[in-house]
Amino acid sequence: SQKIEQNSEALNIQEGKTATLTCNYTNYSPAYLQWYRQDPGRGPVFLLLIRENEKEKRKERLKVTFDTTLKQSLFHITASQPADSATYLCALPGAGSYQLTFGKGTKLSVIP
Amino acid sequence: EAQVTQNPRYLITVTGKKLTVTCSQNMNHEYMSWYRQDPGLGLRQIYYSMNVEVTDKGDVPEGYKVSRKEKRNFPLILESPSPNQTSLYFCASRGLAGFSYEQYFGPGTRLTVT
Repeated sequence: SQKIEQNSEALNIQEGKTATLTCNYTNYSPAYLQWYRQDPGRGPVFLLLIRENEKEKRKERLKVTFDTTLKQSLFHITASQPADSATYLCALPGAGSYQLTFGKGTKLSVIP
Repeated sequence: EAQVTQNPRYLITVTGKKLTVTCSQNMNHEYMSWYRQDPGLGLRQIYYSMNVEVTDKGDVPEGYKVSRKEKRNFPLILESPSPNQTSLYFCASRGLAGFSYEQYFGPGTRLTVT
C-alpha cells in the first residue's frame, strides 16, 4: 500500500510569509493527489486536487505542485494569515481503487 | 445544503455494550467511508462502500461492522466495544461519476470506551 510522509508534524511561520508543506510518497505514482484542511475536532475539508499530468495548480492564495519523479507534492500558502492555522493533510488514492490514504498531517501555526 | 451528518457527536460507553454510529449524506453519493483518527496515527480507513449492499474492508476493520441498505446511510456498528476503540470517527462520502474525487466529511463522533 502507499506510504505517505508529511515531513513536518508542526510548522510555525510569521504572518505574511509563505508557508510550504511537503508530502512525499513511496511506491506507485498516483493518478492524482489531494490536500485537505482540518481544524481541531472537525472533519477534513477538501482544498485542492492535482492530477499526475499537472505540474501546478492554484486557488486564490494556495498553490500545489506535483513532481512524479521526486514522488513529492508541495503545498504553498502565500501571504499567510492567522486564520490559515490548521492541520493540512495530503491524500492519495490506492492503485486501482477508490480508497484514499491520508498522511498524518502538518500542523501549521501562523503567528501574528 | 450539501452535507454529511453523524450521530451522536459524543459518546461515552462501557466495554462490551453494542453501539451504532449513524452517518447520512444528502448528495446522492455512491461512495461512503468510515475513518478513525488517533493522535500520531492520522486518519485510517475502517470500511468503505461503493454502493448499496457493496461494502469492503479498509485498513483497520477489526471490531467493526457496517451495512449499506440505503444509498444515503452508512452506519458503523461496534458489536462489543473495547477501550482501544476510543477514538475520533469520521464518515465521508463522494460521488463516483465524472472526475469528482473530493471527499466530504462529517463533523466527527468522539467515542470513549471505558
